[in-house]
Amino acid sequence: KQEVTQIPAALSVPEGENLVLNCSFTDSAIYNLQWFRQDPGKGLTSLLLIQSSQREQTSGRLNASLDKSSGRSTLYIAASQPGDSATYLCAVRSMYNNNDMRFGAGTRLTVKP
Amino acid sequence: KAGVTQTPRYLIKTRGQQVTLSCSPISGHRSVSWYQQTPGQGLQFLFEYFSETQRNKGNFPGRFSGRQFSNSRSEMNVSTLELGDSALYLCASSPQQGGNEQFFGPGTRLTVL
Repeated sequence: KQEVTQIPAALSVPEGENLVLNCSFTDSAIYNLQWFRQDPGKGLTSLLLIQSSQREQTSGRLNASLDKSSGRSTLYIAASQPGDSATYLCAVRSMYNNNDMRFGAGTRLTVKP
Repeated sequence: KAGVTQTPRYLIKTRGQQVTLSCSPISGHRSVSWYQQTPGQGLQFLFEYFSETQRNKGNFPGRFSGRQFSNSRSEMNVSTLELGDSALYLCASSPQQGGNEQFFGPGTRLTVL
């Protein structure tokens, strides 16, 4: 059974800092990995999708990497802003089990002005 | 293109009642998945529908059921509500079944008293 872990659970940084969020998964037989952002009480906003054959994806100040063999993904946020404050979740889509999708518990990010 | 819409946004019910939640996917998307999010358990997969058929099911009791209509709109039903069913219920759509990128709606906040 796929287990997805996100460390740290919470992170507080001053504005302007570059930061890295981590996601690890136990089964490397994945179809893709998706990073989401969730604001309090709201739905999930898709940030980046990395297919299993890809190593990284970039969108603006965000860069996500994937190392399938080691079961790790990182989300790099450059020049953080207070508006980046949210919970960031990673989700792994399994290659088997009907493409079952498993979520990590998330990292709650606070960017202080 | 309009995003995923969910109705109602908020719902208060009492134990023993039943509830029906609705989800309209992005136009052209044929797959709809449902998730339950609670502070204790995080995001858990309920079921996925594609072409009016349930394709995948999570580990939830039979009180949780769903269906999909020919226009891809989906409903989920919870019967005999329990206090522990209080959660944010999220719906996600994707173009096809399986490994595509998922786009989430704002969720329905269900409170069971």
